[in-house]
Amino acid sequence: AQRVTQPEKLLSVFKGAPVELKCNYSYSGSPELFWYVQYSRQRLQLLLRHISRESIKGFTADLNKGETSFHLKKPFAQEEDSAMYYCALRDPLGFGADGLTFGKGTHLIIQP
Amino acid sequence: NAGVTQTPKFQVLKTGQSMTLQCAQDMNHEYMSWYRQDPGMGLRLIHYSVGAGITDQGEVPNGYNVSRSTTEDFPLRLLSAAPSQTSVYFCASSDRQLLNEKLFFGSGTQLSVL
Repeated sequence: AQRVTQPEKLLSVFKGAPVELKCNYSYSGSPELFWYVQYSRQRLQLLLRHISRESIKGFTADLNKGETSFHLKKPFAQEEDSAMYYCALRDPLGFGADGLTFGKGTHLIIQP
Repeated sequence: NAGVTQTPKFQVLKTGQSMTLQCAQDMNHEYMSWYRQDPGMGLRLIHYSVGAGITDQGEVPNGYNVSRSTTEDFPLRLLSAAPSQTSVYFCASSDRQLLNEKLFFGSGTQLSVL
């Protein structure tokens, strides 16, 4: 069974400091990995996906198959980054539950 | 396009009452799903559907029913509400035909069962 672990429920950093939200997964194949974000009073939305190798709002995430990790990083945190962040995994070959498996989420607070 | 629309936004029920959470999408997505969001538990899949007439159970299906009579609508029914079903519910949809396609989420329904 696929699993996603976000070890930190809460992460608080000062504005301008680097941010790293950890995500580790358990999956036997080649997963599809995503980061979703939920800003206050807004709906969940996709932040980035590993296949795109993109940088969104200054965030990047690299898939490390050796460490089975997909950590989300930003070199300089901004106050508007405060939000709930969810790491998610999807089995591209799965014919069962096609839904994403989400981690439990990390609440990121950026202090001024 | 309105995207994914959920109603109601808030609901309070008494134990034993039944109700239906509505979800509609106007993007012609095949895949639709329901999640519940609980503190410290993240998002957990309740039920999902890969097309009209096809539904299946997710991780936490007990106490919930779904149906998919049209591509657009995917209602979630609570048969006999229990306090353990107090949660925030999210409906989501995606186009399964596209590799790595993202989920589009509704704005959520906050449900309290007393």
